[in-house]
Amino acid sequence: AQKITQTQPGMFVQEKEAVTLDCTYDTSDPSYGLFWYKQPSSGEMIFLIYQGSYDQQNATEGRYSLNFQKARKSANLVISASQLGDSAMYFCAMRKGNRDDKIIFGKGTRLHILP
Amino acid sequence: GAVVSQHPSWVICKSGTSVKIECRSLDFQATTMFWYRQFPKQSLMLMATSNEGSKATYEQGVEKDKFLINHASLTLSTLTVTSAHPEDSSFYICSARTENTPPQHFGDGTRLSIL
Repeated sequence: AQKITQTQPGMFVQEKEAVTLDCTYDTSDPSYGLFWYKQPSSGEMIFLIYQGSYDQQNATEGRYSLNFQKARKSANLVISASQLGDSAMYFCAMRKGNRDDKIIFGKGTRLHILP
Repeated sequence: GAVVSQHPSWVICKSGTSVKIECRSLDFQATTMFWYRQFPKQSLMLMATSNEGSKATYEQGVEKDKFLINHASLTLSTLTVTSAHPEDSSFYICSARTENTPPQHFGDGTRLSIL
């Protein structure tokens, strides 16, 4: 069975510092996709970054990068130069290879950026 | 970019009434949409997968007679909470996926409060 684990329920980080949000996953499927979403207090889910299991390079999107370590089954999100607006809930998620398959979410990490 | 519209954003109603929530893909066709439920300070839990032109696939433990899902067209899926009770109060959020990109795009969610 698939499983996503986020071990950090909450984090406090000083503004402008880099932050790493941990995510480990478990699956027996050779083909899968990994996602990170941001959920501000308003509730909407904002897509941040995607990594396919066969992608050779780590995904990057602006200040977001995904540290994909396949052998360790980890997909940590790195946010560089954190900003106050980064304060939110962050969810790691995984989908099986089939693009129409459902995705499952981790429990999330609440990130607080301190001024 | 892909946009998903969800309506209404907030509903307050009396116990025993039925509530319909709409999820629309505005600029793309979505053969598959997903409905999630999120309790405060918890992760998103998939309720069902909505397929255009066919019956929805419900997750284990989700009452299909309680949560009616209709996917009448490639751009519209609806979730109806029938005979709602206070325990149905939650944040409901839908998502849809385009043909060409991996991530699911989420609506802004509906906060449902049953008095």
